[in-house]
Amino acid sequence: GQNIDQPTEMTATEGAIVQINCTYQTSGFNGLFWYQQHAGEAPTFLSYNVLDGLEEKGRFSSFLSRSKGYSYLLLKELQMKDSASYLCAVMDSNYQLIWGAGTKLIIKP
Amino acid sequence: DSGVTQTPKHLITATGQRVTLRCSPRSGDLSVYWYQQSLDQGLQFLIQYYNGEERAKGNILERFSAQQFPDLHSELNLSSLELGDSALYFCASSVETVDASGNTIYFGEGSWLTVV
Repeated sequence: GQNIDQPTEMTATEGAIVQINCTYQTSGFNGLFWYQQHAGEAPTFLSYNVLDGLEEKGRFSSFLSRSKGYSYLLLKELQMKDSASYLCAVMDSNYQLIWGAGTKLIIKP
Repeated sequence: DSGVTQTPKHLITATGQRVTLRCSPRSGDLSVYWYQQSLDQGLQFLIQYYNGEERAKGNILERFSAQQFPDLHSELNLSSLELGDSALYFCASSVETVDASGNTIYFGEGSWLTVV
């Protein structure tokens, strides 16, 4: 079966750095996506990785290792507004998105 | 604004009733997805339509059905509603691959359904 694993919840301090991990087992691979979702709102796109390595976008970076079936989202200089759920999703060989359950990130002052 | 429009935004109804949620995808997107998200839960994929045809089915109950019309808008019908059906229902439309920003799917703001 297809499976995506993320930690359920993480806590970090304002101004710090946090890494949210995602491991996946899917039927084929056509890219991995990270989305941010504030409570009661729609998910919004953060990043896309299809090749191994690190993609940096401002305070957010995303890493992919296809051989390990592993990705992480790195958030730097955390702000209170970063408190949200972070969703990992993989596009399989049929171009279907498989979603992780999301990681709830709590930022403390 | 994602370009995906969902109506109604909020709906309160009684158990046993039937409701219809409506979605207009982004201009040019042929794929429409429906997701259910219960309180503090992850996104649960319900069903996908592509250009009017059902393409993929997820954990959609038999009491639920959907369709996509020739103008590409979609409706999700929920019948014999139960308390546990209370959730946020998202519609999303997709470019099927990725666009220039790297994104593949755009979500509407969701329809909050409360069953009492």
